[in-house]
Amino acid sequence: EVLLVESGGGLVQPGGSLRLSCAASGFAFSDYWMSWVRQAPGKGLEWVANIKQDGSATFYVDSVRGRFTISRDNAQSSLFLQMNSLGAEDTAVYYCARDSTAATTSHWGQGTLVTVSS
Amino acid sequence: QSALTQPPSASGSPGQSVTISCTGTSSDVGGSDFVSWYQQHPGKAPKLMIYEVTKRPSGVPDRFSGSKSGNTASLTVSGLQAEDEADYYCSSYAGSKERVFGGGTKLTVL
Repeated sequence: EVLLVESGGGLVQPGGSLRLSCAASGFAFSDYWMSWVRQAPGKGLEWVANIKQDGSATFYVDSVRGRFTISRDNAQSSLFLQMNSLGAEDTAVYYCARDSTAATTSHWGQGTLVTVSS
Repeated sequence: QSALTQPPSASGSPGQSVTISCTGTSSDVGGSDFVSWYQQHPGKAPKLMIYEVTKRPSGVPDRFSGSKSGNTASLTVSGLQAEDEADYYCSSYAGSKERVFGGGTKLTVL
């Protein structure tokens, strides 16, 4: 069974940083593109970033480029999202996602809530 | 990276069919074979319902079907059931390894 478990969310002050982690199991992690998708409270889904199987390529939505960094550790079957210079607009549930074909998420984690507030 | 356009709400009675549209541009929906649809119940993670415009993952009922014409993709739910009541999101590849989502449609089963 594919399992994606996020951690690292919480309350952070504006301008602060946070690092999200996602522990993957039940599949060959190194074979898949992985993504982070977020959902602000009461709002829709927003793709944040994705990363190639070997970590050699990463892509970001314009609103986080330069502030967020996606990375992975295939030996530990783990995905990460380093978030810097956080603002209120980054408040959301962040989902770890396993991609199947292009721009298609076949499996989702349960999400971790990030709240940016003073 | 503009969001795809979906109607905010849709509804139908049990047993009826309902279609949800998802309109983009030639840079995303119109130019991509990678359009997908997700179902999300309150407080839950999304679930993949349709991928590559028309394909259904194993375990998804055949009451769910997808199609595309020009820059608009559509999700049709036939034989509506109470458990189909949820939010539905479309998504498309938008070039340069990026993707966009629609704003979501709340489906109500009357």
